[in-house]
Amino acid sequence: ETGVTQTPRHLVMGMTNKKSLKCEQHLGHNAMYWYKQSAKKPLELMFVYNFKEQTENNSVPSRFSPECPNSSHLFLHLHTLQPEDSALYLCASSERLSSSGYEQFFGPGTRLTVL
Amino acid sequence: QKEVEQDPGPLSVPEGAIVSLNCTYSNSAFQYFMWYRQYSRKGPELLMYTYSSGNKEDGRFTAQVDKSSKYISLFIRDSQPSDSATYLCAMSPYSGAGSYQLTFGKGTKLSVIP
Repeated sequence: ETGVTQTPRHLVMGMTNKKSLKCEQHLGHNAMYWYKQSAKKPLELMFVYNFKEQTENNSVPSRFSPECPNSSHLFLHLHTLQPEDSALYLCASSERLSSSGYEQFFGPGTRLTVL
Repeated sequence: QKEVEQDPGPLSVPEGAIVSLNCTYSNSAFQYFMWYRQYSRKGPELLMYTYSSGNKEDGRFTAQVDKSSKYISLFIRDSQPSDSATYLCAMSPYSGAGSYQLTFGKGTKLSVIP
């Protein structure tokens, strides 16, 4: 595997389910990010991790819970989601947190549908 | 006023046409200007980036930044059907604290018709 991978690629869940999204980067980077891409809206930064430590939470509801066990893996745990949470969830990584924005590499995303 | 404005399109052009994609912004702190290409069911991939004002050319693609007007453009010459995708502009401040904060436009969906 190369670059940034995400699993699953598609996920359908009910509002009472609990599921997790997984991201893995094979680039030796130290910073990882979760973004949300909704229809007709710009990409929104959700969480930022630097060397496994969370450095940013952009006022994301607590029904989204990130976890970063090491610099290569990032999870997004989901519970009691709402239909408006349906979106493409993108993971990205960069060599270091202070890297300029253009140095972020994105994964293919997980398409989430909440019924 | 939104920080970054981008016409969502869709934009449909015949093969071989010159395509012009644009974004305007309001935050003077932006120093890096990026264009991403996103194919259907894929993540964004960096196409080009420019630091501060000026032009940058890469093959059929030219990026322009006019900081005085807070306006950036991406030109695609001799457009191909394989250029059909959504194009996202993004911006970030100078490197350092907060430099990872990308502010995106909504994206313009481009279709190049054979």
